[in-house]
Amino acid sequence: AQTVTQSQPEMSVQEAETVTLSCTYDTSESNYYLFWYKQPPSRQMILVIRQEAYKQQNATENRFSVNFQKAAKSFSLKISDSQLGDTAMYFCAFTDSSGTYKYIFGTGTRLKVLA
Amino acid sequence: DSGVTQTPKHLITATGQRVTLRCSPRSGDLSVYWYQQSLDQGLQFLIQYYNGEERAKGNILERFSAQQFPDLHSELNLSSLELGDSALYFCASSKAGVLETQYFGPGTRLLVL
Repeated sequence: AQTVTQSQPEMSVQEAETVTLSCTYDTSESNYYLFWYKQPPSRQMILVIRQEAYKQQNATENRFSVNFQKAAKSFSLKISDSQLGDTAMYFCAFTDSSGTYKYIFGTGTRLKVLA
Repeated sequence: DSGVTQTPKHLITATGQRVTLRCSPRSGDLSVYWYQQSLDQGLQFLIQYYNGEERAKGNILERFSAQQFPDLHSELNLSSLELGDSALYFCASSKAGVLETQYFGPGTRLLVL
């Protein structure tokens, strides 16, 4: 069965520091996508970053980067130079080519950036 | 702004009632997905439509149903509502309903009293 696990329910980081959020997943498929979504208090789901499994290079979007370890089925998100606006719930999500293409979400990590 | 619209933004109703949530996908997207998020949990997949046809079902209750119309907008119908149905309901759309990025609407917050 496909699963996504986020083992850190809550984290905090000082403004301007770096923080890493962890995510592991399980699939028997070789073709899949991984995502990090940010959900601020407005509850909007905002796509932060996407990684295609066939790409060896880790995805980067400005201050956000991932560490994609395919063999270990690990997909962590690094936020550099943390800003107060980064305070939000962060969800790791996964979709593969097994049939439905639905997203499977982790339980989320609540990140608080401290001034 | 993802380009996906959902109405209404908020809905307050009583147990036993029926409500309809509406979703308009991004221009050009043929596939619509519905997800439910309860109490800061992760989103749970309910159902997917592609070009008017149901393509996949998740853990959707029998009291819930959905459809996608010829203009590609979709409606999620929730009936015989219970307190536990209170949640945030998201619609997402994608171009072809395959391995690709889905774009999420702002959600409809349902409160059942």
